Amino acid sequence: QKEVEQDPGPLSVPEGAIVSLNCTYSNSAFQYFMWYRQYSRKGPELLMYTYSSGNKEDGRFTAQVDKSSKYISLFIRDSQPSDSATYLCAMSENGGATNKLIFGTGTLLAVQP
Amino acid sequence: ETGVTQSPTHLIKTRGQQVTLRCSSQSGHNTVSWYQQALGQGPQFIFQYYREEENGRGNFPPRFSGLQFPNYSSELNVNALELDDSALYLCASSPYSGEQYFGPGTRLTVT
Repeated sequence: QKEVEQDPGPLSVPEGAIVSLNCTYSNSAFQYFMWYRQYSRKGPELLMYTYSSGNKEDGRFTAQVDKSSKYISLFIRDSQPSDSATYLCAMSENGGATNKLIFGTGTLLAVQP
Repeated sequence: ETGVTQSPTHLIKTRGQQVTLRCSSQSGHNTVSWYQQALGQGPQFIFQYYREEENGRGNFPPRFSGLQFPNYSSELNVNALELDDSALYLCASSPYSGEQYFGPGTRLTVT
């Protein structure tokens, strides 16, 4: 069993839809949770960085962490064609600069105009 | 403030050869991490350098090695290339607060 599981998709939605992306994990020591967006043939771009359980909102993006269920989510409101990309969840046990990220496999999202 | 840069963008090598990939960290970041991303997979942690010392290593053989320089730029060296080493190699730099910011990657093809 992988430490981090993520549905690879692809997920196709119409423009303006609310998108829900999810990851589950098995390592209860994970405390820091991230979402990255990766366009084709580019490096991952950090979208959200959260610590422990709870919600964090940034514009159209909301990240949720439920440590009791070992489940994290990213919601995208009013989705746009420019949101079409692969979304990667990542986690680490430690914060600070010297942390090792464990990634999911990524979910491919297509937002249709 | 400049972001993380990597060179070259892509290269092709033959099995058994050696390769060096380079990374320039974002200004003010003293930690650099390297990841390997195979097609259709998430990035996998190779190793991390903090103040020029290796600070953690993933499940990669010793033929993967690295360096970090006083200006916090970094190199990833891979010896005795194998076909399975074909991947996107990503460098990420971190400030003290811990967020990792990735460069555009180097796409390595081994034939």
